[in-house]
Amino acid sequence: GAGVSQSPSNKVTEKGKDVELRCDPISGHTALYWYRQRLGQGLEFLIYFQGNSAPDKSGLPSDRFSAERTGESVSTLTIQRTQQEDSAVYLCASSLNDRNPYEQYFGPGTRLTVT
Amino acid sequence: GQSLEQPSEVTAVEGAIVQINCTYQTSGFYGLSWYQQHDGGAPTFLSYNALDGLEETGRFSSFLSRSDSYGYLLLQELQMKDSASYFCAGLGDSSYKLIFGSGTRLLVRP
Repeated sequence: GAGVSQSPSNKVTEKGKDVELRCDPISGHTALYWYRQRLGQGLEFLIYFQGNSAPDKSGLPSDRFSAERTGESVSTLTIQRTQQEDSAVYLCASSLNDRNPYEQYFGPGTRLTVT
Repeated sequence: GQSLEQPSEVTAVEGAIVQINCTYQTSGFYGLSWYQQHDGGAPTFLSYNALDGLEETGRFSSFLSRSDSYGYLLLQELQMKDSASYFCAGLGDSSYKLIFGSGTRLLVRP
């Protein structure tokens, strides 16, 4: 596609449920990033993929969070046993490769609300 | 570790020039990027400075001084559509991970 796409755009879930968020990066972009943005705040780095491997998972807040990427394209971020503090916008970005991380292209985000 | 500091809000008048500052602390440094984000929208890349000096892209310019650990984004001929949040983001500690500042909310008034 022309840009980074994410689905769903909005997700409301009950506390304790699992959720899966999807990201389709720009075709040909080998580097993919996940961020979390709480209301009125900056972007918090979660995880980075180069190809299908994740050299840096240091930003994942807890072991309830995991992510995978297959086929050097689609990535899913899974949050298990969601908590209210997980409510935020989850943004995905891609860059041509990990030598151009300063220029990232962002998707529209998934707004997650945990009730 | 790495941290970037920005003013939380800036207000300016349409047609004017505004400068948004960013100071950073990092154990390593590979460059400074700037992103724009409208309310409810996705961040959009504006510019990147790897070396000292000024980078100009249309009405927007970005400056970096590595010796001062300081950069700024300059917006000229402000338009109402420039009202948005602006984030500086640094590449530090590792060459692939962007660390974002908390953002500066720019309000352009008529």
